[in-house]
Amino acid sequence: DGGITQSPKYLFRKEGQNVTLSCEQNLNHDAMYWYRQDPGQGLRLIYYSQIVNDFQKGDIAEGYSVSREKKESFPLTVTSAQKNPTAFYLCASSMGATATGELFFGEGSRLTVL
Amino acid sequence: GEDVEQSLFLSVREGDSSVINCTYTDSSSTYLYWYKQEPGAGLQLLTYIFSNMDMKQDQRLTVLLNKKDKHLSLRIADTQTGDSAIYFCAETSRNGGSQGNLIFGKGTKLSVKP
Repeated sequence: DGGITQSPKYLFRKEGQNVTLSCEQNLNHDAMYWYRQDPGQGLRLIYYSQIVNDFQKGDIAEGYSVSREKKESFPLTVTSAQKNPTAFYLCASSMGATATGELFFGEGSRLTVL
Repeated sequence: GEDVEQSLFLSVREGDSSVINCTYTDSSSTYLYWYKQEPGAGLQLLTYIFSNMDMKQDQRLTVLLNKKDKHLSLRIADTQTGDSAIYFCAETSRNGGSQGNLIFGKGTKLSVKP
């Protein structure tokens, strides 16, 4: 079945450590996105990528990094520079700036900094 | 700014209708969306409406669009306990043509009481 897979679902990290969240899609979508969700804050865009080997900062990119070496994969690294990393992270993909613009989401990864 | 506004909470009794309201900012948005998020999960697209439509009905869901007031609503008929979730309104971003990104509201948490 086609879809988006995020891993791990739960992750605990000590302060000062970098962690990488995985996002893989087999929908053959060109565009991929990372959002952060905090209670009562909705979704905020961290980074997005319209095409392989290219990505753009979203609204809250500071303290995060991404890569897009393959069409299927868009990993997110939460660095030690991110001051408040505890959150629910959602990866999404779309066909790009075409058609209805619908986003397809993964099931999310919950990061807790101890 | 690019804020999509929604009330944060709605509580209804099982069997009643639920109406979730949203105001958006960009009159040039091509599509407007309603997403559903169950606890601990990603977002799933419920329905969307093209901006040249006033209404769209899909089984128990009715979407109403008032372009003049930039107001979007989602009505759920015969609300069930399984409808308890967070509902997000979203519009295509001001730069949607190049980003393919969506702007989300903060979400309305719907609680259905038996």
